[in-house]
Amino acid sequence: GQNIDQPTEMTATEGAIVQINCTYQTSGFNGLFWYQQHAGEAPTFLSYNVLDGLEEKGRFSSFLSRSKGYSYLLLKELQMKDSASYLCAVRVFSGGYNKLIFGAGTRLAVHP
Amino acid sequence: GAVVSQHPSRVICKSGTSVKIECRSLDFQATTMFWYRQFPKQSLMLMATSNEGSKATYEQGVEKDKFLINHASLTLSTLTVTSAHPEDSSFYICSGGRLAGYEQYFGPGTRLTVT
Repeated sequence: GQNIDQPTEMTATEGAIVQINCTYQTSGFNGLFWYQQHAGEAPTFLSYNVLDGLEEKGRFSSFLSRSKGYSYLLLKELQMKDSASYLCAVRVFSGGYNKLIFGAGTRLAVHP
Repeated sequence: GAVVSQHPSRVICKSGTSVKIECRSLDFQATTMFWYRQFPKQSLMLMATSNEGSKATYEQGVEKDKFLINHASLTLSTLTVTSAHPEDSSFYICSGGRLAGYEQYFGPGTRLTVT
């Protein structure tokens, strides 16, 4: 089966750093994505990891350990606009094509 | 680049009627398109995957006769919800992928309300 776990909710203070964890157990692995989603809107791409290690992109960084089935998204210098849901998604090859399996998402609330 | 549009953005229909949602890739050729459904405070659930010119592949538990998917060209896919019921009320999101590349580009979503 396919299982992706991430915390349901997190809160943080403006200007701080927050780490959102994601663990996965999937049949096959072809990359891990992080998306940001504001309520009522489509997800927007944040990061992609396919090899172990850290990928840094501005205020956002994402880490992957394939042996542990673990990833995290690190958000620095938090801003109020970062309040959103953050979705961890694993790409798997199944039935002849790549598809994304999404976690339930982590709702992040940033407070002043 | 890589913009996907959906139409309509919101639709309200009566129970028993059918609704068609369009998904267009505006500036790239989407060889594969994906349709997702998202209920409130839940994550995206893949409904089906379609490749241009071939039949869609549906995920387990998704009724192919109820959710008709057509991917007639490299820039257009449609999802028709037939004989809609209130439990079909949801946020429907499409995404497109290129032949080469790993990213999926998401449309803005369609909010369907069945009364």
